[in-house]
Amino acid sequence: QTVVTQEPSFSVSPGGTVTLTCGLSSGSVSASLYASWYQQTPGQAPRTLIYSTDTRSSGVPDRFSGSILGNKAALTITGAQADDDSDYYCVLYMGSGILVFGTGTKVTVL
Amino acid sequence: QLQLQESGPGLVKPSETLSLTCTVSSGSFISSDYYWGWIRQSPGKGLEWIGSIYYSGNTYYNPSLKSRVTISIDTSRNQLSLKLSSVTAADTAVYYCARWRRSGYYHFDYWGQGTLVTVSS
Repeated sequence: QTVVTQEPSFSVSPGGTVTLTCGLSSGSVSASLYASWYQQTPGQAPRTLIYSTDTRSSGVPDRFSGSILGNKAALTITGAQADDDSDYYCVLYMGSGILVFGTGTKVTVL
Repeated sequence: QLQLQESGPGLVKPSETLSLTCTVSSGSFISSDYYWGWIRQSPGKGLEWIGSIYYSGNTYYNPSLKSRVTISIDTSRNQLSLKLSSVTAADTAVYYCARWRRSGYYHFDYWGQGTLVTVSS
């Protein structure tokens, strides 16, 4: 069974930079897995931030950026704001209609 | 603006079948560019993909749930449905429907607000 791993938590100061990663239990993440990233605050549905590794969804601030770092997908928040205090999930598309959510990262801005 | 709305019983007894419907409005339901999916989130836990369906009826399921899941589509009503059989307390979760864009742009671009289903006797 495919497991997609993310860091459980990160803490970042306002104005600071944090990079979250999304890795595979076996193998490397490449652009061919079309990583997407979602932000979720308590009680709300997820919001799409990034798709196809590095494309920002409409209306998403440019302080959010996506990339491949080594063998993982990455989401970087540059100049963190209080509003960024949320849970973040990646999704990898494994092909043939199958996709897998990452385990999620809780980001605290303080 | 596309809107998705989940509906169904908020309480299901153990061993019974959970049934939910997602109604899609203000947008194209029949399109080769999209799948329609179900995702759930148990209390305090992460998001879990349950499965997806294409407008033609082709389905794709999470292998860990495949034996208990049926997703269907009614294009005349702009609805997709989820059935999860033999539920236990572990199936207590908020269930979301969402649109998955395909064809090189793979991601969920629209989400419903979610509906809480509790499995309890």
